Amino acid sequence: EDKVVQSPLSLVVHEGDTVTLNCSYEVTNFRSLLWYKQEKKAPTFLFMLTSSGIEKKSGRLSSILDKKELSSILNITATQTGDSAIYLCAVGAAGGTSYGKLTFGQGTILTVHP
Amino acid sequence: KAGVTQTPRYLIKTRGQQVTLSCSPISGHRSVSWYQQTPGQGLQFLFEYFSETQRNKGNFPGRFSGRQFSNSRSEMNVSTLELGDSALYLCASSSSSGRSSTDTQYFGPGTRLTVL
Repeated sequence: EDKVVQSPLSLVVHEGDTVTLNCSYEVTNFRSLLWYKQEKKAPTFLFMLTSSGIEKKSGRLSSILDKKELSSILNITATQTGDSAIYLCAVGAAGGTSYGKLTFGQGTILTVHP
Repeated sequence: KAGVTQTPRYLIKTRGQQVTLSCSPISGHRSVSWYQQTPGQGLQFLFEYFSETQRNKGNFPGRFSGRQFSNSRSEMNVSTLELGDSALYLCASSSSSGRSSTDTQYFGPGTRLTVL
């Protein structure tokens, strides 16, 4: 069975700190790894990674995939209170039994204090 | 483009009742996936529809069902509600084609179902 594990489960930091969130996976026929941010209701898409070693960046957020280690990290630099949210890692697989299915980790709850 | 919309946003039902939730995907997206989110289990995959056909189903009992219409709008139905069905139900749409498996999914705001 496909499995995604995130760490840490929760993190409390102060504004300006840099944080690194981890995601590891065991998935048959890996296709993609996605990061989402969930504040109140809908998870909002951050990144999709398919190739190992290529960093994706968006402002203060960046992410990289290591297919050899079956893992990914999400970095947030110069954190702000608006970064407080649950960060979800999800993995998609190839093949008919995987159509439309993302397997999610438990999420990391990030709290940024002023 | 308008995002994924879900109705209703909140529902309160009692055990034994049934409920129907609706999801309208992003225009042009033909794949709709449904997820259940609970504090204990996180986000779990329910099923996926593409071109009015269920292509994939998660490990949920038969009380959970769905369908998709020709305009790609989707509904999910839960019959004989149980207390444990209380959750946030999220739908997501993607531009996944018939030959593709998983592409970026964009989520709606969810329907919060409370079963009393």
